[in-house]
Amino acid sequence: GENVEQHPSTLSVQEGDSAVIKCTYSDSASNYFPWYKQELGKRPQLIIDIRSNVGEKKDQRIAVTLNKTAKHFSLHITETQPEDSAVYFCAASLNFGNEKLTFGTGTRLTIIP
Amino acid sequence: NAGVTQTPKFRILKIGQSMTLQCTQDMNHNYMYWYRQDPGMGLKLIYYSVGAGITDKGEVPNGYNVSRSTTEDFPLRLELAAPSQTSVYFCASERGSSTEAFFGQGTRLTVV
Repeated sequence: GENVEQHPSTLSVQEGDSAVIKCTYSDSASNYFPWYKQELGKRPQLIIDIRSNVGEKKDQRIAVTLNKTAKHFSLHITETQPEDSAVYFCAASLNFGNEKLTFGTGTRLTIIP
Repeated sequence: NAGVTQTPKFRILKIGQSMTLQCTQDMNHNYMYWYRQDPGMGLKLIYYSVGAGITDKGEVPNGYNVSRSTTEDFPLRLELAAPSQTSVYFCASERGSSTEAFFGQGTRLTVV
């Protein structure tokens, strides 16, 4: 089955700086890569996703890049703000058959004012 | 749409007791999942289902059981509760593979 590794486990950045979280996956057939944000005491929620037919996707201050050859994808947050402090999870899945969503282990991002 | 609804939100169990965590979704999603999240940790998959009548084990199924008799409901049963099952439990659903997963608000379970 799919295995997703996520790094780093914790990340602290100064407000206004950029943050990058990286994930690698094992199944080269995976073709959908979402990112979820979980604020303290709340449920995870989708913030951005990318499919394997594109290399990059942006939504305001967040972007995701995908390198299919190397089997890794990254979340980029620019101009970080205090409300970006949360736990971020990457995930991977295969749009074929009954393949389930597989999550990474999470990154706790802290924005330092 | 209410989305994914979990009940109860909080529960304290004594060791050896049993309970059922309820999960209902009104989005007609085929895929449903149960995760547990220990303090400061990631999401561990307990069980999942790709449709009514179909369930499969995740990475931490021991001590739990599920059923999926309808598309809407995916209850999680804890038999003989143990302190190691103290955690926050999240139910989630997806329309199909490779689509957005929607999470319930979570159930905080403490076993004493």
